[in-house]
Amino acid sequence: AQSVSQHNHHVILSEAASLELGCNYSYGGTVNLFWYVQYPGQHLQLLLKYFSGDPLVKGIKGFEAEFIKSKFSFNLRKPSVQWSDTAEYFCAVNWIQFYFGTGTSLTVIP
Amino acid sequence: DVKVTQSSRYLVKRTGEKVFLECVQDMDHENMFWYRQDPGLGLRLIYFSYDVKMKEKGDIPEGYSVSREKKERFSLILESASTNQTSMYLCASSFRTVDTEAFFGQGTRLTVV
Repeated sequence: AQSVSQHNHHVILSEAASLELGCNYSYGGTVNLFWYVQYPGQHLQLLLKYFSGDPLVKGIKGFEAEFIKSKFSFNLRKPSVQWSDTAEYFCAVNWIQFYFGTGTSLTVIP
Repeated sequence: DVKVTQSSRYLVKRTGEKVFLECVQDMDHENMFWYRQDPGLGLRLIYFSYDVKMKEKGDIPEGYSVSREKKERFSLILESASTNQTSMYLCASSFRTVDTEAFFGQGTRLTVV
């Protein structure tokens, strides 16, 4: 089985600050990697995904993530956050089934 | 757009009741999943199904069962609801097992009193 670790449980940033959320997974073979976002009162939505190829992937709303195979990591970044980015963020790995991290709650202060 | 629809947004049930949570997807996806989401614990897989009438236990199947009689529908059953099953339940589907994303329903918040 896989395990997914998200290092930051709660993050509070001011608007325009840069964001980086850490994610590590346990399995060293071929995996699919994802970041999902859950805005208050809404369903989980896909931010971005990595299947293969360029390890730097770009998603919606200016988010990007970098896959570093040697570190089993898939960190999420955004250069300048907005108040509307306030949400919960989940890292996930697909290896037969989807494994999710415990989530990071991001609050952006205007 | 893929649509995953859960039959109820909110449910309140009594301890000991049998509870059915229904999920329907409209994109002919092979795989369907049931998760529960609890603060600080993230999403934990209860059961998943990769074909009609097929099911696999996830990480926390105790106290739950599932049914998949048709490809588009995946039901989660709480045989005898207990207060520790109060949670947000999320249904998801995916086209296949690899190189695919999961699509989620809006969730059912179940309260067992």
